[in-house]
Amino acid sequence: ETGVTQTPRHLVMGMTNKKSLKCEQHLGHNAMYWYKQSAKKPLELMFVYSLEERVENNSVPSRFSPECPNSSHLFLHLHTLQPEDSALYLCASSQDRWVGGSTEAFFGQGTRLTVV
Amino acid sequence: AQKVTQAQTEISVVEKEDVTLDCVYETRDTTYYLFWYKQPPSGELVFLIRRNSFDEQNEISGRYSWNFQKSTSSFNFTITASQVVDSAVYFCALSAGNNDMRFGAGTRLTVKP
Repeated sequence: ETGVTQTPRHLVMGMTNKKSLKCEQHLGHNAMYWYKQSAKKPLELMFVYSLEERVENNSVPSRFSPECPNSSHLFLHLHTLQPEDSALYLCASSQDRWVGGSTEAFFGQGTRLTVV
Repeated sequence: AQKVTQAQTEISVVEKEDVTLDCVYETRDTTYYLFWYKQPPSGELVFLIRRNSFDEQNEISGRYSWNFQKSTSSFNFTITASQVVDSAVYFCALSAGNNDMRFGAGTRLTVKP
């Protein structure tokens, strides 16, 4: 496999459930990202990991909890979500963290999350 | 502050028409990078092009061309002779300073047969 793979592709969960989104990259990249894409809104950067350390957390509610056990895997743990959290969650990776830099990002196909 | 504005929310054209997607950016940094990504219905964003702030040469790649103008802080994207397969959401993005990449809101392009 190559590229960035996200599972599951679709997820429906109740507000009291606990679930996890998984992202895996086989590109040898050092940085990984979680984005939230809601209808008619810009992509929202949620978390950034560089060399397995979290380097950015953009005021994301604590009901979202990221985990990066190694440079190839990234998780987003979800618990007690709200209906407004329904969105497409995209994972991305880049060779190095792209702060002010030229590195392009490679994206997964996303997980379409619906909170009921 | 970094900001990317894509004023066109949705564009619809008929196949073979040319179409231009606008992107206006804001940054105080003198060194920065601009990107365009395509998001087809499958969901993943696909990298199309990267330009740095010191290279204002326009670029052409097949039916795609990009016009970078620092004087107007714009990085517009033109598709010539559009095809149905070009239907997607297109994102412009900016990377500058100590900030992570910032994306515009995207422009949804529909190409009708």
